[in-house]
Amino acid sequence: QITLKESGPTLVKPTQTLTLTCTFSGFSLSTSGVGVGWIRQPPGKALEWLALIYWNDDKRYSPSLKSRLTITKDTSKNQVVLTMTNMDPVDTATYYCAHNEVSADTATGWFDPWGQGTLVTVSS
Amino acid sequence: SYELTQPPSVSVSPGQTARITCSGDALPKQYAYWYQQKPGQAPVLVIYKDSERPSGIPERFSGSSSGTTVTLTISGVQAEDEADYYCQSADSSGTSVVFGGGTKLTVL
Repeated sequence: QITLKESGPTLVKPTQTLTLTCTFSGFSLSTSGVGVGWIRQPPGKALEWLALIYWNDDKRYSPSLKSRLTITKDTSKNQVVLTMTNMDPVDTATYYCAHNEVSADTATGWFDPWGQGTLVTVSS
Repeated sequence: SYELTQPPSVSVSPGQTARITCSGDALPKQYAYWYQQKPGQAPVLVIYKDSERPSGIPERFSGSSSGTTVTLTISGVQAEDEADYYCQSADSSGTSVVFGGGTKLTVL
């Protein structure tokens, strides 16, 4: 059974850097075809993809947020970390991490399952 | 930037068929995936690779693709299917993930 859980601060101040950790079980990030992604959802709004990291350390970022994001993995700890710099109130959202799978005929793959999400509020 | 377009809302009566569309220029080239999200919950994958159904997802959920539009069909809609539905795919280069704006399905 695959499970993921997000952890990090619930409140950050504007201009600060957000660091979120995704701790997972039930799979290994050293297995070919496996990845972990981050997706966020502002209150009452749509899902927005942020970043993806694959088993081979290939990293993908949302073009609109690329300059602010860094994704890393620690295979031995079964963790993926996302950092987002220069936080702003518009970044207030629930942040999800999710297991990702790709195959020879897919591009970025699909997300299944997802963590429960963590609400991050940006406010002074 | 690349976008996937969904209708904001779809309404159907119980037992009827709901169809939710998702349009994007790269869809003839890239697979689409569908997620169901109920209030206060994380999204759940209901369709992958345009038309494949994960284990545990009811057979009334199906997906199809035609040109630049993919469609999620829910046959015999039940009250429990009321939720937001999101499509997801990749841009034409296959390097970025894109989500649609979501469709709120209301069961009348």
